[in-house]
Amino acid sequence: RKEVEQDPGPFNVPEGATVAFNCTYSNSASQSFFWYRQDCRKEPKLLMSVYSSGNEDGRFTAQLNRASQYISLLIRDSKLSDSATYLCVVQGGKLIFGQGTELSVKP
Amino acid sequence: DAGVIQSPRHEVTEMGQEVTLRCKPISGHDYLFWYRQTMMRGLELLIYFNNNVPIDDSGMPEDRFSAKMPNASFSTLKIQPSEPRDSAVYFCASTTSGMALGGTQYFGPGTRLTVL
Repeated sequence: RKEVEQDPGPFNVPEGATVAFNCTYSNSASQSFFWYRQDCRKEPKLLMSVYSSGNEDGRFTAQLNRASQYISLLIRDSKLSDSATYLCVVQGGKLIFGQGTELSVKP
Repeated sequence: DAGVIQSPRHEVTEMGQEVTLRCKPISGHDYLFWYRQTMMRGLELLIYFNNNVPIDDSGMPEDRFSAKMPNASFSTLKIQPSEPRDSAVYFCASTTSGMALGGTQYFGPGTRLTVL
């Protein structure tokens, strides 16, 4: 079983749609959680951290459920520029990356 | 400020040849990471250094892979001999102790390696 699992997608959505990505992790001792974004043929970049209480950054909302070992990312009012691969990342010492969920936002 | 610099950006080589990938971390960063990304396996950590000392090389696939960090501003990842299954994008990333706690790593643009 992979340490971090994500639905690879692709998710194809129209502009303005709301889209949610899910991620599960296997190590209950994991300490911190993040979402990274990777544009096509580019390097990954930190998008946001994920806290147990849930946190928002503009149109992006991240949530963590430690009991279920589950992380989510919600994107509201999606834009064409949101098209990318979203990587779920778990930290327990080093960073463990999921394989990513591809999002394509269409006009 | 310059980000993480990697060279070469693209490398095409033949099976059996030696390949050397290079990385210059962001100045002042004391952690350096080497990752490999493939479609099948995603982004995998190969090795990381703290203050130029290798801390965890458990991700290095086999003895054909070696990494060094002779000083705070330079690291190499060497594959000898290379094999077609080594074809991937190799990323170098750097961070500081404080930023590492917050999950922030700064990635270089990557080296796209193709082994024929």
